[in-house]
Amino acid sequence: GAVVSQHPSRVICKSGTSVKIECRSLDFQATTMFWYRQFPKQSLMLMATSNEGSKATYEQGVEKDKFLINHASLTLSTLTVTSAHPEDSSFYICSARDMGQGDNQPQHFGDGTRLSIL
Amino acid sequence: AQTVTQSQPEMSVQEAETVTLSCTYDTSENNYYLFWYKQPPSRQMILVIRQEAYKQQNATENRFSVNFQKAAKSFSLKISDSQLGDTAMYFCAFHKAAGNKLTFGGGTRVLVKP
Repeated sequence: GAVVSQHPSRVICKSGTSVKIECRSLDFQATTMFWYRQFPKQSLMLMATSNEGSKATYEQGVEKDKFLINHASLTLSTLTVTSAHPEDSSFYICSARDMGQGDNQPQHFGDGTRLSIL
Repeated sequence: AQTVTQSQPEMSVQEAETVTLSCTYDTSENNYYLFWYKQPPSRQMILVIRQEAYKQQNATENRFSVNFQKAAKSFSLKISDSQLGDTAMYFCAFHKAAGNKLTFGGGTRVLVKP
């Protein structure tokens, strides 16, 4: 089945650091990937849609200069949290769908990245 | 815009018993897909079951089955013969047939007791 790999799984860093999170589709091509944020005991909130070869589409209220997304290839999207601060601490999850298998394919999720800013 | 509502924040069930999780949604679309995802303490998102809106037959995956009522915009999940490993957060989700974006409900925490 389709596998999405997300790295790193855990990041602890000082305030002001920029953090890059990678999301890879291992056995399929993904022209579109998605980035979510999840606060403790809450649901997943879509942050942005990552489009291969073009600009990402951000959801309302998400700062595009804070959360930089790059989707340079059909198997890799990256999310960079720039100048991270404690309020950026959260669980970030990516997902992708194998569009080559038709419209009814589910999204497959990475294992998530727990980001802690001190 | 689509919305997904899960009215039960938390449910507990005895091992081997059955539990039903409710989900309602609001959309003007006629064709779409519905999903239940499980998120155990490891926080990995695992697809449990999916349903295409144009199919009348309710989807079933082993101990998991859904009751899809399109007119009522309801999509409940039944877990039969509950096992300790079923303890997790369960999220109901929706996406349009021609779309990519998933809309999630708020989640239901299920605790299976021995």
